[in-house]
Amino acid sequence: AQSVTQLDSQVPVFEEAPVELRCNYSSSVSVYLFWYVQYPNQGLQLLLKYLSGSTLVKGINGFEAEFNKSQTSFHLRKPSVHISDTAEYFCAVTLTQGAQKLVFGQGTRLTINP
Amino acid sequence: DGGITQSPKYLFRKEGQNVTLSCEQNLNHDAMYWYRQDPGQGLRLIYYSQIVNDFQKGDIAEGYSVSREKKESFPLTVTSAQKNPTAFYLCASTPHGAGNTGELFFGEGSRLTVL
Repeated sequence: AQSVTQLDSQVPVFEEAPVELRCNYSSSVSVYLFWYVQYPNQGLQLLLKYLSGSTLVKGINGFEAEFNKSQTSFHLRKPSVHISDTAEYFCAVTLTQGAQKLVFGQGTRLTINP
Repeated sequence: DGGITQSPKYLFRKEGQNVTLSCEQNLNHDAMYWYRQDPGQGLRLIYYSQIVNDFQKGDIAEGYSVSREKKESFPLTVTSAQKNPTAFYLCASTPHGAGNTGELFFGEGSRLTVL
């Protein structure tokens, strides 16, 4: 079965600084990968997804992620964060074949300080 | 606009009472899901349904029940048997079948507080 590990539960950064949120997955077969963002008391919104092709994926709000198959990672990055990026971020994985049940990481709380 | 509507957004319940959370979607999606979210624990799957009149238990189904009588609707009942029901509940849906990537579309959530 596939699994996801988000290596940091909380990440504080200053406004306009770069940020990287780390995600590692475990699976013996090929996967699709996702990053979702959750603002307080709201549902989850898709930031970006990797299905196939280019390993560098661009998403909304200036975020991007890179799929690294050899390291089984899908880290999320943004070169310059804004106060409005304060939220919780979830990495998720599903298999490309068979039962497609999305498995989520524990989440990373990103806090932007002025 | 197409989307998923959850109601109510906030709900208070006394211990020993059952409560039903509503989830309606107009995306014409076949599959629907219920997740529970607690601080620091990510999302945990309660129940899911891939087709009308059929549903399966997720990882934490005890104390919950669901029905899927219509494609658009997937209500969740939190029963008095659920020992710790205070949480944020999220409903999601996805198309089913060939070409589906598993990407989930979420509602805005319902926060249940047991007094």
